[in-house]
Formats: sequence, C-alpha cells, structure tokens
Amino acid sequence: GAVVSQHPSWVICKSGTSVKIECRSLDFQATTMFWYRQFPKQSLMLMATSNEGSKATYEQGVEKDKFLINHASLTLSTLTVTSAHPEDSSFYICSVPDNSPLHFGNGTRLTVT
Amino acid sequence: QQPVQSPQAVILREGEDAVINCSSSKALYSVHWYRQKHGEAPVFLMILLKGGEQKGHDKISASFNEKKQQSSLYLTASQLSYSGTYFCGTEITYNQGGKLIFGQGTELSVKP
Repeated sequence: GAVVSQHPSWVICKSGTSVKIECRSLDFQATTMFWYRQFPKQSLMLMATSNEGSKATYEQGVEKDKFLINHASLTLSTLTVTSAHPEDSSFYICSVPDNSPLHFGNGTRLTVT
Repeated sequence: QQPVQSPQAVILREGEDAVINCSSSKALYSVHWYRQKHGEAPVFLMILLKGGEQKGHDKISASFNEKKQQSSLYLTASQLSYSGTYFCGTEITYNQGGKLIFGQGTELSVKP
C-alpha cells in the first residue's frame, strides 16, 4: 500500500500567522488525497478532497479561503491554514486512497497560541 | 451521513472479548475498520465489501450484514495492545474514490 509522509509532525504558531502542512505519497502516484481534521476525543472529519492539477473540493462548512489546498504534483499535496486562530488547533491528517484502504500520514498537531 | 458506532467506550480485562458495532441508515458500498492510538494516525484493520461477508486475522474479525447497513468488529481474547479508539469508515457508493466518512469512534481500554 501507499506510504504517506506528512510534515511537520507538530507545529506551534502564534495567532494570525499561517502554517503549511505537507503530505507526500512516497511510492504511489496520487491524483487524489484527502485531508481530515480531528479534535481531541472526536472523530476524523473530512475537510476536503485534494485533486491533482485542479481545485480542491471542500466539505460543507469548511472555509476554502482559510484552508488553502494545493495539489501541484502526483506526490505532493499541501494544506495551508491561513490566519490561524486558537480554535484551529487540532490534529490534521492526510490520506491517500490506494485501491482501498486509505493510507494515512502520521498527522500534524497544530497548536495556535 | 455519519455512521453510528456503539458502544462509545468499553473497558475490558485481558483475555475478555468485545464487540463494536457500526450502523448506517443507508446501504453501504464498503466498511473499513481502523484502530487509532493516542496521538497517532489510524491503522487499517480490514475492509468489508460484500453483504454477509465475514473475515478476520488472528483474534480480530468483522462482519457485514446482508443488507449492508451494519458491520461489527469482534475482538477475542483481548490483549493490552488492543487498547485504542476504533473507527469504522464508510463509503456509500463505489465511485467515491476512497473517501471515507467515519463514525464517532469507540474507545477500548484493556486492563491487565
């Protein structure tokens, strides 16, 4: 199955700054990647579908101008949290579908102070 | 259309069995089961695609009912390493490209 690398593992930033999270598919060409967000003791909530070479598809209630997704190549998708606020603090996980199942990155713990 | 998992939490002694259920109001294309340890990414356990299917590995198995609206995960003779939160992820149709909607999770604690 696909090997997925996500960076950074954790990041602490000040309120109002932007943070970029990278998701790389190391051994599989991924035309699609998924971005999930998970608050403590809650489920994984799908934020958006990242599409290589085209615009991302966002789930209802997710602000596309706040969570910028770029999928410029078959191996890299990035999620940028713009003007981060404390309520954006969460665990962000990317995943790559490889003929089922989903293969997850190790996640990024974002803390906004 | 988030699937509903039950129970929300369960505490076991080593060697005991547990069943975790995942239900949907609509028929599903597939059910995926994952286990997540605190602060880590979910780890894939198994996928079920066919109504009436049952499959397993070692002491963890799962079933998918004929109507494809309910799946159960069975953990037998539990070990300490089974502790974690279990999620079912579901696909409604075949053409969702692997996009999963997850249940709210079941927290399993195995005590010595």
